Amino acid sequence: DGGITQSPKYLFRKEGQNVTLSCEQNLNHDAMYWYRQDPGQGLRLIYYSQIVNDFQKGDIAEGYSVSREKKESFPLTVTSAQKNPTAFYLCASSTRTSSTYNEQFFGPGTRLTVL
Amino acid sequence: AQSVTQLDSHVSVSEGTPVLLRCNYSSSYSPSLFWYVQHPNKGLQLLLKYTSAATLVKGINGFEAEFKKSETSFHLTKPSAHMSDAAEYFCVVSDDNQGGKLIFGQGTELSVKP
Repeated sequence: DGGITQSPKYLFRKEGQNVTLSCEQNLNHDAMYWYRQDPGQGLRLIYYSQIVNDFQKGDIAEGYSVSREKKESFPLTVTSAQKNPTAFYLCASSTRTSSTYNEQFFGPGTRLTVL
Repeated sequence: AQSVTQLDSHVSVSEGTPVLLRCNYSSSYSPSLFWYVQHPNKGLQLLLKYTSAATLVKGINGFEAEFKKSETSFHLTKPSAHMSDAAEYFCVVSDDNQGGKLIFGQGTELSVKP
């Protein structure tokens, strides 16, 4: 059963702690993405990776870090430097045809709450 | 720069009546456009996509959208609303110059009354 999995579904963090959100895909997609969603808003791009061992900052990368050591995995670390981390985090992946990126498939999301 | 504007933050319809969710886009080149749907506390599901083939795009669950270059619009429609259509809908443009980054509209919440 192909798709994107994210874990955990809910995550609680104390202020000053780093936490890592998992994202795994078995779709054989080259590109992976992390988005953040706040209430009543669209999604904003945090980081993206077009290929293994390479990634780029998105629009709101400050306070976040990522790695892409395997094609299937793209974990996101929310560091203590992120001032307002409480949000819904969504991971996505896509393929590429020539110079065009195809539609992105999304995971079920992780809701992070800072206590 | 690419952008999308969803013209209504909230739309309410009665079950069985037509649905119209409006979206305008801005792009310096021929865009790839998408509509995604999100049910509460869930991930996003692709409804349909436009990638410069036919201007009238048919998607899942009876939804369709028409790409109008002259109006820079990509409105989403459905002839007859169902209770299960109640959700948040996002109009999205893809920026292929930035790794396929998706640029989201603010979303339109669709309510369906019985």
